[in-house]
Amino acid sequence: EVQLLESGGGLVQPGGSLRLSCAASGFTFSSYSMSWVRQAPGKGLEWVSTISGGGTNTYYADSVKGRFTISRDNSKNTLYLQMNSLRAEDTALYYCAKSPVTTWSALDYWGQGTLVTVSS
Amino acid sequence: QSALTQPASVSGSPGQTITISCTGTSSDVGKYKFVSWYQQHPGKAPKVMIYDVNNRPSGVSNRFSGSKSGNTASLTISGLQAEDEADYYCSSYTISTTLVFGGGTKLTVL
Repeated sequence: EVQLLESGGGLVQPGGSLRLSCAASGFTFSSYSMSWVRQAPGKGLEWVSTISGGGTNTYYADSVKGRFTISRDNSKNTLYLQMNSLRAEDTALYYCAKSPVTTWSALDYWGQGTLVTVSS
Repeated sequence: QSALTQPASVSGSPGQTITISCTGTSSDVGKYKFVSWYQQHPGKAPKVMIYDVNNRPSGVSNRFSGSKSGNTASLTISGLQAEDEADYYCSSYTISTTLVFGGGTKLTVL
């Protein structure tokens, strides 16, 4: 059974940093692209970033480019999102999601999310 | 990266068929066959219902179907059931090698 468990969320001041983690199990982690998607309270879904299975290719939304870094440790079956220079508008529930082997544009399994609150 | 355009809400009675539209541009929906649809119940994580325009993952009811014409993709739900009441989001791959979501549509089953 595929399981994705996010952690690392919390309250951080504007300009601060936070690192999110997503522990994966139930599938061959290194074979699949992984993504982060966020959802601000009461709002819609926003794609944040995607990383290829081997970690070579990374993609970012313009809203986070230069501030967030996606990475993965395939030996630990763990996905990361390093978030720097955080802003109030980054406040959201952050989901980790897996893609099918055929395309990274679809997200076939999602975690339950970890909440990030940026506030002074 | 402008969001795809979806109607804010749609409604239907049990047993009816409804369609949710998702309008993009020639740089995303119109260019690629990489449109997905997600269902999200309150307080829950999204669930993929359709991927690559019209492919249904195993376990998803065949009452759900997808299509695309030009810059607009559509999700059709036939035989509407109470448990279909949820928020629905479309997404598309873009020419900028990014993903973009629609604003979401709240489906109400009357």
